Amino acid sequence: DGGITQSPKYLFRKEGQNVTLSCEQNLNHDAMYWYRQDPGQGLRLIYYSQIVNDFQKGDIAEGYSVSREKKESFPLTVTSAQKNPTAFYLCASSMSRGGVDEQFFGPGTRLTVL
Amino acid sequence: GQQVMQIPQYQHVQEGEDFTTYCNSSTTLSNIQWYKQRPGGHPVFLIQLVKSGEVKKQKRLTFQFGEAKKNSSLHITATQTTDVGTYFCAGRGGWTPLVFGKGTRLSVIA
Repeated sequence: DGGITQSPKYLFRKEGQNVTLSCEQNLNHDAMYWYRQDPGQGLRLIYYSQIVNDFQKGDIAEGYSVSREKKESFPLTVTSAQKNPTAFYLCASSMSRGGVDEQFFGPGTRLTVL
Repeated sequence: GQQVMQIPQYQHVQEGEDFTTYCNSSTTLSNIQWYKQRPGGHPVFLIQLVKSGEVKKQKRLTFQFGEAKKNSSLHITATQTTDVGTYFCAGRGGWTPLVFGKGTRLSVIA
């Protein structure tokens, strides 16, 4: 089955530790995205990548880092510099086809920093 | 930067009542998309609107894109319990990434 996988579903970390969230897609999509979702805040863009080995900052990139070494993978690292890392993190991918560039979302990772 | 405002934040309706959520952008949009997120789930794409004044229907859902391409609405006729969730609009201006509204959370009372 084609889709986007994110693991784990729930993640707990101690304050001050870096943590990496995985995102893998087998949809052959060029573009991938990371969003953060907080209650009542909608989806806020952290980083996005439109092609392998290239990525751009979104609206709330501070305290986060990414890499895009393979088309299928776009891991997100939440660093200790992120002041309030507890949130629901969503990965998405898209590929323009016939003008419709809908985003396909993974199931998300709920990160809790203790 | 581009901002997308969505109202209302919450809506509680009796089953069978209609529901509408509105989306307004600070800038002209090249297209607007709508997503639905069920409780505990992830957003799922519903539709994309591109043309000024465009209206599209999906069964009981009607989507509109304003003439100035700065506002949009989603209307659900005769809500059902399966409509429960949060509805997001997301707008794009040119080649910039999608900007999501904060969403409208719909509760349906049976």
